[in-house]
Amino acid sequence: AQRVTQPEKLLSVFKGAPVELKCNYSYSGSPELFWYVQYSRQRLQLLLRHISRESIKGFTADLNKGETSFHLKKPFAQEEDSAMYYCALSSSNTGKLIFGQGTTLQVKP
Amino acid sequence: KAGVTQTPRYLIKTRGQQVTLSCSPISGHRSVSWYQQTPGQGLQFLFEYFSETQRNKGNFPGRFSGRQFSNSRSEMNVSTLELGDSALYLCASSRDQGIKDEQYFGPGTRLTVT
Repeated sequence: AQRVTQPEKLLSVFKGAPVELKCNYSYSGSPELFWYVQYSRQRLQLLLRHISRESIKGFTADLNKGETSFHLKKPFAQEEDSAMYYCALSSSNTGKLIFGQGTTLQVKP
Repeated sequence: KAGVTQTPRYLIKTRGQQVTLSCSPISGHRSVSWYQQTPGQGLQFLFEYFSETQRNKGNFPGRFSGRQFSNSRSEMNVSTLELGDSALYLCASSRDQGIKDEQYFGPGTRLTVT
């Protein structure tokens, strides 16, 4: 079955500390992986996707097919990073996104 | 350019009623997807429409239906509402079918069933 697991509901760190939001997936085939972010009172928006291999707002994520993981990392957290983060997967020929339950990142001053 | 718009933003209905939610995609976008968001189940895919045709459907009962018009606007309908249908319903649009293009989400319609 296709599934995305985000084991942490809440991750609380201090400003300047490294951040790693975990995401594991199960999928038979070659999925596309995404991280979406929802800031307070804003819409859900795409943060990054694994095929673009770019860094957005200092965040990076590497697809590890052996461990079926797509963890989101940032070396130095900022207060403005506080938000809800969702990991999602899709197959390449469909617009259907399968989301994880989300992790709330709280960056304390 | 204007983002995805959803109307109404808030809705209160009673059990057994039906409801229609509307989604206007970004101009030029031809694909619209719908999601249900609840605290317990999170974000779950409902359906995807492209060129007025349903391309994918999630695991929801037949009470949930949708359609897309020639101008790419989409509506979803829920008949015989149940308390468990209370949720935030999100729609997302993209230029083309499939996940090749980024999906842009609307603000959602908050449905409360009493």
